[in-house]
Amino acid sequence: NAGVMQNPRHLVRRRGQEARLRCSPMKGHSHVYWYRQLPEEGLKFMVYLQKENIIDESGMPKERFSAEFPKEGPSILRIQQVVRGDSAAYFCASSPYRGADTGELFFGEGSRLTVL
Amino acid sequence: QQQVKQSPQSLIVQKGGISIINCAYENTAFDYFPWYQQFPGKGPALLIAIRPDVSEKKEGRFTISFNKSAKQFSLHIMDSQPGDSATYFCAASIRYGNKLVFGAGTILRVKS
Repeated sequence: NAGVMQNPRHLVRRRGQEARLRCSPMKGHSHVYWYRQLPEEGLKFMVYLQKENIIDESGMPKERFSAEFPKEGPSILRIQQVVRGDSAAYFCASSPYRGADTGELFFGEGSRLTVL
Repeated sequence: QQQVKQSPQSLIVQKGGISIINCAYENTAFDYFPWYQQFPGKGPALLIAIRPDVSEKKEGRFTISFNKSAKQFSLHIMDSQPGDSATYFCAASIRYGNKLVFGAGTILRVKS
């Protein structure tokens, strides 16, 4: 059973461009979480999605960021008009269960975004 | 209230020694306290977790101690090994919560 797959692993964008980060959860997992990790900081919650639904987006910046988890295909985290402050590692995690306290969150290896 | 404060920021321990990492929280609704381990270039992985109905949980060389009245919990790594060198994150969630709130992380280095 393959783990959580994230791509690209590394992405370089110039200011003003768009970044699309993809996450394929583990087989059988219908719950996906996105976290952002800045250097020397912990993981900050961004959004929690279930298939075709956004459950909690309280950690998402109000502008430029969006996420989706369609019925078919990976979850996508989209950042429009990137700025240097968006440079970070973005981690996706998946779970077969509803709720962050019901068991292990399985994390991918992350996508590292660098904005020039 | 949603924060989890973790200390120390970094820790160096001799091989065979005990590594201790501490976390504190304010939100009394937190009901689940996991620890995650992260190696460079990898994603975090669950190490051990505890709920507030017990004061201690041990899995191999890893022990969580939980003090509900003080709103503190800690990770003890006994007989620390160089392979334990990693970043450790404490986290917390409310019951049926939508997110884990993570501490800032502790970089552990075990010297051989």
